[in-house]
Amino acid sequence: ETGVTQTPRHLVMGMTNKKSLKCEQHLGHNAMYWYKQSAKKPLELMFVYSLEERVENNSVPSRFSPECPNSSHLFLHLHTLQPEDSALYLCASSPQKNYGYTFGSGTRLTVV
Amino acid sequence: ILNVEQSPQSLHVQEGDSTNFTCSFPSSNFYALHWYRWETAKSPEALFVMTLNGDEKKKGRISATLNTKEGYSYLYIKGSQPEDSATYLCAFNSGANNLFFGTGTRLTVIP
Repeated sequence: ETGVTQTPRHLVMGMTNKKSLKCEQHLGHNAMYWYKQSAKKPLELMFVYSLEERVENNSVPSRFSPECPNSSHLFLHLHTLQPEDSALYLCASSPQKNYGYTFGSGTRLTVV
Repeated sequence: ILNVEQSPQSLHVQEGDSTNFTCSFPSSNFYALHWYRWETAKSPEALFVMTLNGDEKKKGRISATLNTKEGYSYLYIKGSQPEDSATYLCAFNSGANNLFFGTGTRLTVIP
């Protein structure tokens, strides 16, 4: 375990479902991130939170909605996703923005 | 979006062989270059963060060099072992911007 825990590890959802991905860290880090990895593509940054404020939204469709209720928890709420949203979603945290990332193991999402 | 290229895309080596692979990145506005090791079904694990031109870092049998003027970094593995099999990711940081990752080099070490 790296200190960043993601649940669930695997998720299959229909296009009309609503689900949430959860990320938790108790490393005392101040920044948290959501990344997406699709097949044969680099990790793509989705959202950045620094001190619980969203500081970046990297042109992500509104069907993905992040939430950071405190510095230890980060959620990604999913609603009416498309099959092309099937991917590995990775959470990371760092002591300060853009330095010393610690990653979770990811959630493998399949949209059917 | 900044272009970070890694080569080769995949690599098979025999146990005991030494190997190396490349990460190329923009040579302007450089702040840091990160290397991660990512085993299947696990989390990416930080190997090195390199900030200075000419930097060399070492961790056991793995080492990395950095050339910020020409925009490349090499990762070397000496005497590869099966447990070195993983995807090796590099990521470029230009300071204010976030990390931009390459697609990785997938290394398989054959016993």
